[in-house]
Amino acid sequence: DQQVKQNSPSLSVQEGRISILNCDYTNSMFDYFLWYKKYPAEGPTFLISISSIKDKNEDGRFTVFLNKSAKHLSLHIVPSQPGDSAVYFCAASGNDYKLSFGAGTTVTVRA
Amino acid sequence: SAVISQKPSRDICQRGTSLTIQCQVDSQVTMMFWYRQQPGQSLTLIATANQGSEATYESGFVIDKFPISRPNLTFSTLTVSNMSPEDSSIYLCSGRTGRNTEAFFGQGTRLTVV
Repeated sequence: DQQVKQNSPSLSVQEGRISILNCDYTNSMFDYFLWYKKYPAEGPTFLISISSIKDKNEDGRFTVFLNKSAKHLSLHIVPSQPGDSAVYFCAASGNDYKLSFGAGTTVTVRA
Repeated sequence: SAVISQKPSRDICQRGTSLTIQCQVDSQVTMMFWYRQQPGQSLTLIATANQGSEATYESGFVIDKFPISRPNLTFSTLTVSNMSPEDSSIYLCSGRTGRNTEAFFGQGTRLTVV
């Protein structure tokens, strides 16, 4: 049972434009949400997180928005750069430290 | 955040054999986890590695197939036993120091079973 869902397997965006990645979750006990970036042959790298007590968190080019009532979060990357081309995973955790991951979205930034 | 060194980075193994993957963290961490990423799939949690006691396995994973050790707060091993081609995956270890903190990952072990 997939508790974290990323329904868009891929996203193509032009360099300099905004990338918007979406994520939905079903478990209402999740209270901490994270985004990871993964290149081939490397482990996931943490990008940004948000606690359920907030609805927005910003770090440089990355902003995460959380809509608790809709059980939905999104990651905005602006401006998109060629080095942003990677697989992005949404993850969520509750009170047991474990992370549940979405299926991932492959982002391609076109020059 | 802490750094995890995971080895080997890749291996090609014969079916029926076993492989042990090691992860060393450069600082003490509260929790350590082992994940599997099958080709084109997401990360699936295999187990939580408990310091000084038996690991806690997720549904579908058993100790006989994936024995795990965690002798202290900075080191853990995962063994993939009696391997078959279906075990070909990327195996990742992860650490986390608190609930509302990031989890950090090793670079992964790409296992191919032939």
